[in-house]
Amino acid sequence: KQEVTQIPAALSVPEGENLVLNCSFTDSAIYNLQWFRQDPGKGLTSLLLIQSSQREQTSGRLNASLDKSSGRSTLYIAASQPGDSATYLCAAPMGTGNQFYFGTGTSLTVIP
Amino acid sequence: DTAVSQTPKYLVTQMGNDKSIKCEQNLGHDTMYWYKQDSKKFLKIMFSYNNKELIINETVPNRFSPKSPDKAHLNLHINSLELGDSAVYFCASSFQQGIVGYTFGSGTRLTVV
Repeated sequence: KQEVTQIPAALSVPEGENLVLNCSFTDSAIYNLQWFRQDPGKGLTSLLLIQSSQREQTSGRLNASLDKSSGRSTLYIAASQPGDSATYLCAAPMGTGNQFYFGTGTSLTVIP
Repeated sequence: DTAVSQTPKYLVTQMGNDKSIKCEQNLGHDTMYWYKQDSKKFLKIMFSYNNKELIINETVPNRFSPKSPDKAHLNLHINSLELGDSAVYFCASSFQQGIVGYTFGSGTRLTVV
């Protein structure tokens, strides 16, 4: 069964810093990998989706990479802002799809 | 305009009651899901329906029963509610195997007292 782990569980950085969030998965037969953001008391907002054949995706200040062979994905946030404060979740559906495993999340706080 | 909408947003009820949470998506997706987010913020799949057919049924008490009248709707009925059912329940949808990713609703916070 797929296990998805995120490190660190919590991260606090001053505004303007670049940072990296890590996601690791045990079964490399993933269909794709998706990064989400969850604000307190809110739903999930999709940030980036990387197909299994891709190495990275970029959206604005966000860059996500995927290394299936090592079972890792990273989310890079450039020039962090207080508005980036949220919980970031990675999730990976298995090869047959329809079974979507979530990581444990990284709670990010960007200090003004 | 809401892609995946859940109602109600908040639900407070007493133990032993029966309640329902509704979910609708207007994205034309063919697969819908229910997830439970526990107090530790971990999201776990409960059910998945593809074109109104049950695909995934994880280890969930049979007090929980999903119903999909059509592929745009997936409702969750919960009978004999227990304190441990308190959580946030998220509905989601996707095309087939999540080729272009998943879209989530804003969640329903269920509190059983």
